[in-house]
Amino acid sequence: NAGVTQTPKFQVLKTGQSMTLQCAQDMNHEYMSWYRQDPGMGLRLIHYSVGAGITDQGEVPNGYNVSRSTTEDFPLRLLSAAPSQTSVYFCASSWTGLNTGELFFGEGSRLTVL
Amino acid sequence: TQLLEQSPQFLSIQEGENLTVYCNSSSVFSSLQWYRQEPGEGPVLLVTVVTGGEVKKLKRLTFQFGDARKDSSLHITAAQPGDTGLYLCAGPLYGNNRLAFGKGNQVVVIP
Repeated sequence: NAGVTQTPKFQVLKTGQSMTLQCAQDMNHEYMSWYRQDPGMGLRLIHYSVGAGITDQGEVPNGYNVSRSTTEDFPLRLLSAAPSQTSVYFCASSWTGLNTGELFFGEGSRLTVL
Repeated sequence: TQLLEQSPQFLSIQEGENLTVYCNSSSVFSSLQWYRQEPGEGPVLLVTVVTGGEVKKLKRLTFQFGDARKDSSLHITAAQPGDTGLYLCAGPLYGNNRLAFGKGNQVVVIP
């Protein structure tokens, strides 16, 4: 079972470059979210979606865009990468809700911005 | 200000020893979740506690939710190297479609 799939697993960018982190889930979950994990900071919510066509901001949305055109996919876009965006990014999905049900996480995408 | 404080941040023990880690808050939560994250992987849900005073067991792991629903503990009996990982507690935020996560308890079990 694939679950939540994130690509790429590793990426190095230069300041100012743009890129998209891909996230796909095959569990037909309505709820999807993106987190970043930094040492000493824990998991912080970037953006989330409660269904296709609906997105909203989390705690740390600046510098990131998302869209949700299908139930399966929830890409995260960095428009102009900055060193402060160096982090490990996790996509997660849930069947029952982002604050009540079990979150299923991908394996993470490690991003370094030089 | 961290809503969920986890302690200790880091714990290293020998195989076979017991350990307890804590997740504390000044806020009341309707439920708390515990996840385990292994190196290079995403967190995986271990348990959800929903009733004050509740105790749940998962093999050698025992989870307890405080009576006032402000804290939780995880006790591991006879720890094994496979228990090594980052243990995260998380609780729902009222009025928000999100979970608050603690910073985690990093547990290392030495063979």
